[in-house]
Amino acid sequence: EADIYQTPRYLVIGTGKKITLECSQTMGHDKMYWYQQDPGMELHLIHYSYGVNSTEKGDLSSESTVSRIRTEHFPLTLESARPSHTSQYLCASSDSKKDISGNTIYFGEGSWLTVV
Amino acid sequence: QKEVEQDPGPLSVPEGAIVSLNCTYSNSAFQYFMWYRQYSRKGPELLMYTYSSGNKEDGRFTAQVDKSSKYISLFIRDSQPSDSATYLCAMRKDSNYQLIWGAGTKLIIKP
Repeated sequence: EADIYQTPRYLVIGTGKKITLECSQTMGHDKMYWYQQDPGMELHLIHYSYGVNSTEKGDLSSESTVSRIRTEHFPLTLESARPSHTSQYLCASSDSKKDISGNTIYFGEGSWLTVV
Repeated sequence: QKEVEQDPGPLSVPEGAIVSLNCTYSNSAFQYFMWYRQYSRKGPELLMYTYSSGNKEDGRFTAQVDKSSKYISLFIRDSQPSDSATYLCAMRKDSNYQLIWGAGTKLIIKP
């Protein structure tokens, strides 16, 4: 079972608020990811990191920002939330050294964000 | 047009049936093919992955890749109600590229 944790699981906030979605993994994985998933839709990569102090934007444009100051921690921040940000956000990690093909991505349980 | 197409379902079958789930893709450069299972309000979990063409079996699950047709399948034998979930296919060119995901097929196994 994957040891990757996301908080909060569910959040309802007002427009214009700043929020941070927390993600931590205890597996020592070097790669971490944030995906956005709307119901019945594909997962879209919004941010990824290959290690400490490394962050890149994914395929889907996002107004969120991320940081990777510690290997195990990869928080996602929205400075000013809007209703269009309502979605499920999934954090994930993988170990490029252990799995040379990089195929085994472990996901957290997700954070459901509703902006009203 | 999406790079990976997957019928959203829902696909409803009786317990014990053989289930066939499929994805088609357009990019012939894809080499790694994965199937993830996602229960409601949970994150996806990896079920199986295959490299290039061929079959791979793991218990009641068999993954099949036909690169000539750009078509992949996941078969579930002796389906159980606990198999009810959304099944996502994903693929990539190689380990340096990000995964491209299907939208998922919702599977319902009726007791």
